[in-house]
Amino acid sequence: DGGITQSPKYLFRKEGQNVTLSCEQNLNHDAMYWYRQDPGQGLRLIYYSQIVNDFQKGDIAEGYSVSREKKESFPLTVTSAQKNPTAFYLCASSMRSQGKSFTEAFFGQGTRLTVV
Amino acid sequence: DAKTTQPNSMESNEEEPVHLPCNHSTISGTDYIHWYRQLPSQGPEYVIHGLTSNVNNRMASLAIAEDRKSSTLILHRATLRDAAVYYCILRDGDGGSQGNLIFGKGTKLSVKP
Repeated sequence: DGGITQSPKYLFRKEGQNVTLSCEQNLNHDAMYWYRQDPGQGLRLIYYSQIVNDFQKGDIAEGYSVSREKKESFPLTVTSAQKNPTAFYLCASSMRSQGKSFTEAFFGQGTRLTVV
Repeated sequence: DAKTTQPNSMESNEEEPVHLPCNHSTISGTDYIHWYRQLPSQGPEYVIHGLTSNVNNRMASLAIAEDRKSSTLILHRATLRDAAVYYCILRDGDGGSQGNLIFGKGTKLSVKP
């Protein structure tokens, strides 16, 4: 079945270590997104990519990095520069419809990162 | 970015209709109104979206005011599985960075048996 897959579901890391979260989609979607969610809060946009080999910073990009070498993959690296990395991370994808607009977004099930 | 205003929480009884309001007084002509919902510890799920006319799908109905400054998501018969946080989002139909989904805090819907 088509969908968007995040792995792992739970991740534990020591403070100061970089960690990479995986996001893969087989929906042939052009755009992919990374969000962060803290307890009781809405989602905040970290990075987005509307085409392969191109990505843009969202509202809270500091301490994070991404790559988009393949259409189906958009990994997120949480670096040691991110001051408070413990959070729920969500990946999403969306297809470009007629013209420039995008269709509804599909979300993965999220990765819960805990830094100790 | 255009913003939306939603009540923090609402309660409903099972099998009764639910009307979730959203105000978006600064909506522009190219903004689509999107609704997503998020169950605990899961990723958000698309519910419905519209531009000007009312919309219906298998999950819900979307009623859009004539001036487009407000909208209402309608769940016709709430079930316990509809308990979630519902997000009303404006998404620019012209794409680009304005086409990103910018989430607020949403409305937490509780459904009582």
